[in-house]
Amino acid sequence: DIQMTQSPSAMSASVGDRVTITCRASQGISNYLAWFQQKPGKVPKRLIYAASSLQSGVPSRFSGSGSGTEFTLTISSLQPEDFATYYCLQHNSYPFTFGPGTKVDIK
Amino acid sequence: EVQLVETGGGLIQPGGSLRLSCAASGFTVSSNYMSWVRQAPGKGLEWVSVIYSGGSTYYADSVKGRFTISRDNSKNTLYLQMNSLRAEDTAVYYCARTPRWNDAFDIWGQGTMVTVSS
Repeated sequence: DIQMTQSPSAMSASVGDRVTITCRASQGISNYLAWFQQKPGKVPKRLIYAASSLQSGVPSRFSGSGSGTEFTLTISSLQPEDFATYYCLQHNSYPFTFGPGTKVDIK
Repeated sequence: EVQLVETGGGLIQPGGSLRLSCAASGFTVSSNYMSWVRQAPGKGLEWVSVIYSGGSTYYADSVKGRFTISRDNSKNTLYLQMNSLRAEDTAVYYCARTPRWNDAFDIWGQGTMVTVSS
């Protein structure tokens, strides 16, 4: 099975900060990676697919990059509505696996 | 409007069975890969199962042999039959759509809560 790790597991940031979250796969997954945002009690929302494609309707301050085993989600200027938990997902091979999540809260 | 609506969750005793439903509107279930994902209280997301447009199915090891994914094309509905339920199956269960392999999990349902407890 492919293991996904995320770093950091949690972070405190201020509005306007540039935030970078890293997701690493235990083996190569090409670009079969998606990023999701989840707020407490809400449904996960896809932000990025195919590692770097921005989901329609998602603000352009979100971007994704990477291929193979290392991927990043960047928020160029953190907004109040961005405080949430972020998950990566590999869907290169079964079983699909999510990262453990990165919680971004207010500094 | 493209939408998924899950139903069927509830409180069930260990060892019991439950069937979850995921009704789709605005698109055809059988033309997409459809997955179930769950989230235990206070925990992260866990992929559970998928059914391909061609009918092939795959499962997480944690549910293999106990859960069965299926669909009813006439009702445009996805199902998850859950047998031999355990306390660790307690979670919110979401269904999600994948239109193409590299366009995964674009639409999610609102989730349905399953609680396994005596």
